[in-house]
Amino acid sequence: AQKVTQAQTEISVVEKEDVTLDCVYETRDTTYYLFWYKQPPSGELVFLIRRNSFDEQNEISGRYSWNFQKSTSSFNFTITASQVVDSAVYFCALSEGEFSGGYNKLIFGAGTRLAVHP
Amino acid sequence: DGGITQSPKYLFRKEGQNVTLSCEQNLNHDAMYWYRQDPGQGLRLIYYSQIVNDFQKGDIAEGYSVSREKKESFPLTVTSAQKNPTAFYLCASSIDYGTGDTEAFFGQGTRLTVV
Repeated sequence: AQKVTQAQTEISVVEKEDVTLDCVYETRDTTYYLFWYKQPPSGELVFLIRRNSFDEQNEISGRYSWNFQKSTSSFNFTITASQVVDSAVYFCALSEGEFSGGYNKLIFGAGTRLAVHP
Repeated sequence: DGGITQSPKYLFRKEGQNVTLSCEQNLNHDAMYWYRQDPGQGLRLIYYSQIVNDFQKGDIAEGYSVSREKKESFPLTVTSAQKNPTAFYLCASSIDYGTGDTEAFFGQGTRLTVV
């Protein structure tokens, strides 16, 4: 069965600290996709990254970076030099890779609430 | 601007009443979804639709109903049979890039409170 675990319920840091949000997934598929979404206080989910199971290269986008390791089934997210605007709930999600006419069920973790204090 | 519009943002319902949440998208996406979010939990899938006039139950469909008469619209009705309807509801639509690669776009959500 597919499952996504975000063990950190809440994290609190001071501005400019680096912070890593952990994500561990379970799937029996060989083709799958992993996602990170940000949910600010306004409620909408903001897409951050999508990564397929065949691409284990780490990715960096500004202050954000992602570490995908199939050997440990992890897809961790690091924010470097955190800012108050990074305060939000962050969700990791998994979808299977089977093509099904445009639909792919997303399995979400419980989310990690990040609070960045000035 | 393309996007997903949910309305209303806040909704109050008396126990025993049905209520309908609106979701409209102008992204020309075939697939649409409804998720429910409870405090401290991730999103759980209620219903999804891959194409007009077709929809499927998700993980927690009991007490909910949907329709998909138009590609742009996927309203969700929370019926009186839903025992714990107070939650945050998110609508999404998705595009498939082929071979299963997909990206979902979310609306801003409707917060439903039963009073």
